[in-house]
Amino acid sequence: GESVGLHLPTLSVQEGDNSIINCAYSNSASDYFIWYKQESGKGPQFIIDIRSNMDKRQGQRVTVLLNKTVKHLSLQIAATQPGDSAVYFCAENGDFGNEKLTFGTGTRLTIIP
Amino acid sequence: DTGVSQDPRHKITKRGQNVTFRCDPISEHNRLYWYRQTLGQGPEFLTYFQNEAQLEKSRLLSDRFSAERPKGSFSTLEIQRTEQGDSAMYLCASSLDLLETQYFGPGTRLLVL
Repeated sequence: GESVGLHLPTLSVQEGDNSIINCAYSNSASDYFIWYKQESGKGPQFIIDIRSNMDKRQGQRVTVLLNKTVKHLSLQIAATQPGDSAVYFCAENGDFGNEKLTFGTGTRLTIIP
Repeated sequence: DTGVSQDPRHKITKRGQNVTFRCDPISEHNRLYWYRQTLGQGPEFLTYFQNEAQLEKSRLLSDRFSAERPKGSFSTLEIQRTEQGDSAMYLCASSLDLLETQYFGPGTRLLVL
């Protein structure tokens, strides 16, 4: 079946530096992508989403880039803070108009003080 | 707090017992989703509702699992004759409408002994 995968399971970044978390997806029919942050013992927290008719979207300190040619998604976090330490998941909807999300296994981001 | 709430937050049960979890979505969200998350993995889709109608069920949802949303507001997920393999975090999410952002609750962590 289709899957969403992440390039790196762990990432350590110095506080104040920028971080980039990457995600590869295999379903070319996906038209909706989301990044979630999950802290230990908590549910996933929405960060930012992007639809397939866009290639970039910015939020507060975060930017999502979508490259449909190579089926690649990335999350950039600027000026990282200790509170950014968490597991980050990308998710995709798998098909046009599909509502169920397919998640990757996640990347653990650790911010080093 | 106007976010998604789940109850209980933790449940320990013996194999063979039945358990029921409750999810209260964000007010006026007509979509409600159940996911399951095991340690080190991303959430996996189980089922979802549009108002009171259950529209899709994953093959992960065996006949021991049943979900309801009788009045289109809160939902319950029941697991009958629990097995050790049912141990996981059960997450509920809600969204305002089709392809809108899914907001997750804190989850119910189930441990089957």
